[in-house]
Amino acid sequence: NAGVMQNPRHLVRRRGQEARLRCSPMKGHSHVYWYRQLPEEGLKFMVYLQKENIIDESGMPKERFSAEFPKEGPSILRIQQVVRGDSAAYFCASSPTSDTIYFGEGSWLTVV
Amino acid sequence: KQEVTQIPAALSVPEGENLVLNCSFTDSAIYNLQWFRQDPGKGLTSLLLIQSSQREQTSGRLNASLDKSSGRSTLYIAASQPGDSATYLCAVPTGANSKLTFGKGITLSVRP
Repeated sequence: NAGVMQNPRHLVRRRGQEARLRCSPMKGHSHVYWYRQLPEEGLKFMVYLQKENIIDESGMPKERFSAEFPKEGPSILRIQQVVRGDSAAYFCASSPTSDTIYFGEGSWLTVV
Repeated sequence: KQEVTQIPAALSVPEGENLVLNCSFTDSAIYNLQWFRQDPGKGLTSLLLIQSSQREQTSGRLNASLDKSSGRSTLYIAASQPGDSATYLCAVPTGANSKLTFGKGITLSVRP
């Protein structure tokens, strides 16, 4: 059983471009979470999704950020018109229940 | 609003030393607490999960305790090794959807 798979692992975007980060949860896991780790700030919750539904997006910035978890395929975190402040590590996690949670290796976004 | 604090931010010890990492949280109405390990450029690995009904959990050289009433948890590492060098984060679930609130972590360096 492969772990939580995230890609790309490293992404460089120019200001104003779009960034798409993908997450494939562990097999059998229907809960997906996205977290962001900014330098010196620690990990912050962004969004919680189940298949085809956004359950909690209270940690998502109001503009430019969106997330989806379609019926087929990986979960996508999309950042439009990236700015330098979006540079961070983005972690996806999945869970079969509300307890045990498994994190991916992260996607490191650098905006130049 | 739940806040999780880990002090100090960094710790350096000689190999073989027993050590304690501290975590405090402001809202004691939690149903579990997790300790994670993060290696540089990597994702998070869950080390121990303590349910609110438990006082401690053990895994190998690691022992985590939880005192809900005082809002504290400790991670005890016995006979530290250089391979234990990493950042250790504690996290508690917040709200109804198990999203985690993390401390900023303690970066541990074990000197050979």
